[in-house]
Amino acid sequence: AQSVAQPEDQVNVAEGNPLTVKCTYSVSGNPYLFWYVQYPNRGLQFLLKYITGDNLVKGSYGFEAEFNKSQTSFHLKKPSALVSDSALYFCAVRDLNRAGGFKTIFGAGTRLFVKA
Amino acid sequence: GAVVSQHPSWVICKSGTSVKIECRSLDFQATTMFWYRQFPKQSLMLMATSNEGSKATYEQGVEKDKFLINHASLTLSTLTVTSAHPEDSSFYICSASERTGGNSNQPQHFGDGTRLSIL
Repeated sequence: AQSVAQPEDQVNVAEGNPLTVKCTYSVSGNPYLFWYVQYPNRGLQFLLKYITGDNLVKGSYGFEAEFNKSQTSFHLKKPSALVSDSALYFCAVRDLNRAGGFKTIFGAGTRLFVKA
Repeated sequence: GAVVSQHPSWVICKSGTSVKIECRSLDFQATTMFWYRQFPKQSLMLMATSNEGSKATYEQGVEKDKFLINHASLTLSTLTVTSAHPEDSSFYICSASERTGGNSNQPQHFGDGTRLSIL
């Protein structure tokens, strides 16, 4: 069955340090993978997506994610965290081979806290 | 930058009524619009994708007759929750993109969301 897991409810990082927000998935076919961020005062925003091609995807605000097919992971990363990166991050997977239609599944979200 | 306006931002209504939520792209032509639902415990769900001038594509498990989506112009999409009940209470978010299809690299621009409360 199609599923997405964000194993960490919360991630704490010091400003300037690299950050990783983890995401693993399970689908029957080739997935489309997405990362979204929800800021407290700016609403939901799209960060990046993987469709095909280069496994390393670069997105908005200096974020990137690496598609790892063997580990079925799509972890979000940033080399140097900013306090303004503090927000709620959602990973999502869209299953293209599911009979009867498409379905996008979101992870439960990971709250990132970046301390100055 | 690209702005998506969602209206209303908050609506409270009685059970059994229908509620319409508007999503407008203010400074670009939105060939594709998306509707999301965020549940009280923060989990998100993509409800449907709509392309201008054609019927919306609903995600599996979303009731088409319950959640009517219209994308009649390049700047406006509407979501109508028909015969709303308390379990439909949620935060509904729209987004718009300037290109069609999942392979596009055009970003999605999100509205601020509509909080719907059904009494």
